[in-house]
This record gives sequence, C-alpha cells and structure tokens, in this order.
Amino acid sequence: GAGVSQSPSNKVTEKGKDVELRCDPISGHTALYWYRQSLGQGLEFLIYFQGNSAPDKSGLPSDRFSAERTGGSVSTLTIQRTQQEDSAVYLCASTRDGVPSPLHFGNGTRLTVT
Amino acid sequence: EDQVTQSPEALRLQEGESSSLNCSYTVSGLRGLFWYRQDPGKGPEFLFTLYSAGEEKEKERLKATLTKKESFLHITAPKPEDSATYLCALSEAGGFKTIFGAGTRLFVKA
Repeated sequence: GAGVSQSPSNKVTEKGKDVELRCDPISGHTALYWYRQSLGQGLEFLIYFQGNSAPDKSGLPSDRFSAERTGGSVSTLTIQRTQQEDSAVYLCASTRDGVPSPLHFGNGTRLTVT
Repeated sequence: EDQVTQSPEALRLQEGESSSLNCSYTVSGLRGLFWYRQDPGKGPEFLFTLYSAGEEKEKERLKATLTKKESFLHITAPKPEDSATYLCALSEAGGFKTIFGAGTRLFVKA
C-alpha cells in the first residue's frame, strides 16, 4: 500500500476487556515498530519486529501486552484486561531496513478505556 | 541511558517571526538524529536525518543543524501552516530503536 495502515482508528472499550490493534506496514518493509503516545507525552517505544521475530520485548509495559507479526507483514498488538492507564494513541511504524532509516508512521489507533 | 530533551515545550510566533527549536541529547554513540513533524490526529512525518556534528539540512523554511550535544531546528519566516508539533529523535549505534523527545508545539499566528 501507499503508507502504513492502522485499524481501528478509534476504539472505546470497557475496563477489563481485551482489545486488538492492527498494523499493515508498507509493502517490502522488514522492520516494524509499535509506540504509545499519551496525551502531552513523547512516543514510548513498545516493541520492534525484524521479519516475524521480536528481538526485544522489554518496552511492553506489562504482561497484559503482547504482539505478533505474521508473514513478515501485518502485526497485531493485543492488550488483555485493559486498564484506564492504557488509554493512549498506539502508533505503528515501518522501515525498509530498520534504524537508522526514517520511520514511516501510520495515523494511530486512539484507545479509550472507560 | 540515552535521553532526548526538547525545549521549549510550546512556542508561539507571529507569521514571519523566525526562531529555533532545541533538542539536547545524551547517547553513547549516535547513529542518527531525526526530526519529525506531527499534526493533530496524525502520525509523525519524517523531516530530516543528521548523522554527524556539523551537518546541516534544509527543506523550505526549515533548517536542521547538529552539534555533539544538541540539534536545532531553525524556522525562517514561518507561516500558519507550519503550526504543528516537532519531534526530535535519535537512534544509538548498535541499537535497534528510535528514542523520541516530548516535542515542541509550534503555533504560528497570521
């Protein structure tokens, strides 16, 4: 596709429910990143994929967060038992080769936990 | 620990009033220093990459410069459409992630 696509663009969920956020990177980009942006905050690194592998998952805030990538393309970020502090914009980015190539971002999923 | 600090948090300018945004950083080995622009409701959009001290890059009214401790984003004769949040970020040698500062919100009034 022309750019990184994320869905849904907005998600409102009740506390305790599970949510899945999807990222479709630019075709041919092997590296995929997830970031979280809270109101007025910078981007917080969550996880990085090279192909289908995630070399470092240490950025995930808790064991309620998990992510996978299949076929070297689409990635899903899953948050189990959502909490109000999980409310944020979740951004996905991809690059052809990884850093220091510039990141190409989607427009994010705005998650609101009520 | 790698760190990126941006100042000011917010900047209000009149159209045509030139200014600079600051990005201070600490890193054990710099692989790249990046500037991004973020509009409300959108993901960040790449502007520049700088690799070594003394390097400069320009694009329209924007010019980015780099020293061993800081980067500046100079905005010459800004227009209202330059209003956005500008993010500074870096990648460390041997690392795989890009670390972002909190950003500077720029408001340009006509």
